[in-house]
Amino acid sequence: GENVEQHPSTLSVQEGDSAVIKCTYSDSASNYFPWYKQELGKGPQLIIDIRSNVGEKKDQRIAVTLNKTAKHFSLHITETQPEDSAVYFCAASIGGYSTLTFGKGTMLLVSP
Amino acid sequence: DADVTQTPRNRITKTGKRIMLECSQTKGHDRMYWYRQDPGLGLQLIYYSFDVKDINKGEISDGYSVSRQAQAKFSLSLESAIPNQTALYFCATSARGNYNEQFFGPGTRLTVL
Repeated sequence: GENVEQHPSTLSVQEGDSAVIKCTYSDSASNYFPWYKQELGKGPQLIIDIRSNVGEKKDQRIAVTLNKTAKHFSLHITETQPEDSAVYFCAASIGGYSTLTFGKGTMLLVSP
Repeated sequence: DADVTQTPRNRITKTGKRIMLECSQTKGHDRMYWYRQDPGLGLQLIYYSFDVKDINKGEISDGYSVSRQAQAKFSLSLESAIPNQTALYFCATSARGNYNEQFFGPGTRLTVL
């Protein structure tokens, strides 16, 4: 089955800096790569996703890039703010009848 | 997401007790999932259901069972709770389609003493 590795497990940045979280996946048939943000005491919330026919997607301060050849994808957060502090999960799935396989998460701490 | 609700939000129980966690959704989605979250281990899939008559085991189904009572309701049961089932439990839903965009409930914190 699919295996998703996520790095780093923790990331500390200063407010205004950029943050990058990287994930690799094992199954070249994977075609959907979402990113979730989980704030303390809440369920994960989808913040951005990318499909295998696209190399990059951007939404305001967040962007995701996908390298299908290398089987990795990354989340980029620019101009970080304290409210970006949370746990971030990447995931991958293979088509519409499969389930999501999640990475183990990255705890991002943005210091004022 | 208020469209996916879970009850109870917190539960403390004793070893050997049977408990049920409930999930309801108003998103009209066909697919529902139960996940377990432990610190440092991410989200592990327990069971999933692609429609009312479909139930599938996930990667950690031992010790758990589920019931899909209706399109909008999916319950998770622990037949005989044990302390290592202490965890956060999340329900999620997704629509039928080519991409598995999932929406999560607020979670249930379960403690087994």
